[in-house]
Amino acid sequence: ETGVTQTPRHLVMGMTNKKSLKCEQHLGHNAMYWYKQSAKKPLELMFVYNFKEQTENNSVPSRFSPECPNSSHLFLHLHTLQPEDSALYLCASSLEGGANQPQHFGDGTRLSIL
Amino acid sequence: GQQLNQSPQSMFIQEGEDVSMNCTSSSIFNTWLWYKQDPGEGPVLLIALYKAGELTSNGRLTAQFGITRKDSFLNISASIPSDVGIYFCAGQDNAGNMLTFGGGTRLMVKP
Repeated sequence: ETGVTQTPRHLVMGMTNKKSLKCEQHLGHNAMYWYKQSAKKPLELMFVYNFKEQTENNSVPSRFSPECPNSSHLFLHLHTLQPEDSALYLCASSLEGGANQPQHFGDGTRLSIL
Repeated sequence: GQQLNQSPQSMFIQEGEDVSMNCTSSSIFNTWLWYKQDPGEGPVLLIALYKAGELTSNGRLTAQFGITRKDSFLNISASIPSDVGIYFCAGQDNAGNMLTFGGGTRLMVKP
């Protein structure tokens, strides 16, 4: 149990669907992150929120829309995705954003786009 | 952007053998982290390093922050079957940029 919970664990959706991924952390952290993990590629940072404010958007297409209502919850809203968006989406949190802050990961949502 | 080269990409070893993997960076890092990812799960933090030359152990795992601040290695002694998984290095530079991850080392252990 890492203290970072992601739901759902698996999601299959069509390209025209709208769905949301949820992440919740119970560690008292103030920074939260979304990563994309594709086969045979390093983890790709997508978004960073620090004290509920988005501080990083790593050139992510607009079909991915993050939301951070408070420091404990992070969402990733998905719409009109493409087949190449199939991947494992990982959420992480750290005490604060910035240097010397180890990130703790959830178990991810395995997303498949039909 | 920054790049981390992690090697080897995969290793297939006999139970009881020692394992060594490393990461090198094109730039200087202030922090090195080592994670392990089991199938179907997220990466779990193994060891965090914050000072050049620092050597830190966690059970049978030992990691070092290279003196040049551009590399780090992870050693696993007396490997066991549950060591199987993908090991990732990650580094953060002194500009406070986000973590950069290596491509991972897939470890397979033969009983």
